[in-house]
Amino acid sequence: GQSLEQPSEVTAVEGAIVQINCTYQTSGFYGLSWYQQHDGGAPTFLSYNALDGLEETGRFSSFLSRSDSYGYLLLQELQMKDSASYFCAGLYNFNKFYFGSGTKLNVKP
Amino acid sequence: NAGVTQTPKFRVLKTGQSMTLLCAQDMNHEYMYWYRQDPGMGLRLIHYSVGEGTTAKGEVPDGYNVSRLKKQNFLLGLESAAPSQTSVYFCASSTPASGGTINTGELFFGEGSRLTVL
Repeated sequence: GQSLEQPSEVTAVEGAIVQINCTYQTSGFYGLSWYQQHDGGAPTFLSYNALDGLEETGRFSSFLSRSDSYGYLLLQELQMKDSASYFCAGLYNFNKFYFGSGTKLNVKP
Repeated sequence: NAGVTQTPKFRVLKTGQSMTLLCAQDMNHEYMYWYRQDPGMGLRLIHYSVGEGTTAKGEVPDGYNVSRLKKQNFLLGLESAAPSQTSVYFCASSTPASGGTINTGELFFGEGSRLTVL
């Protein structure tokens, strides 16, 4: 499968901004998705970037740079409920999605 | 609208037993996937299907078989369970954008099936 790399853990305080990076392999790549997963739950979709640039959805934004094989998820005005694991997932040839190993976000008061 | 439904949600097996996990989606999605998730690891693709009657191997297919006889259902089978297959299994589906062939990029997940093999 394709390899996607992201940091294992990030800690930030309530109200702050945090950026979670993801680098990916380019062969057969179509786009980059982001998912949130709370402990014991299922992953839920946050965003998808097929083109370079920034996509904004409320407090969350996602960015893609194909030339750098890199993307990030930006979370603003952090809230305690944002404490969760965040996964990047690349869409590749034949409609296959490959996931990074996840970034655990700890939001502190 | 149920979305993606997985059964069973919990199961305990003994080594060597067989079982089938059922995934059903009511969104008329073309593509379906089975992933496993182990602690500290992301989701790893086991098998996937791009349409009724078609299946293909993912990253970690060994020890699993799948079938997609109906568009809405995707079955994952373990013929002879091993302790290494203890995991949380997620089914997901996706679809092309309306009128097109390009994937929307969004996966819809079931709630997961927690399997323990003793």
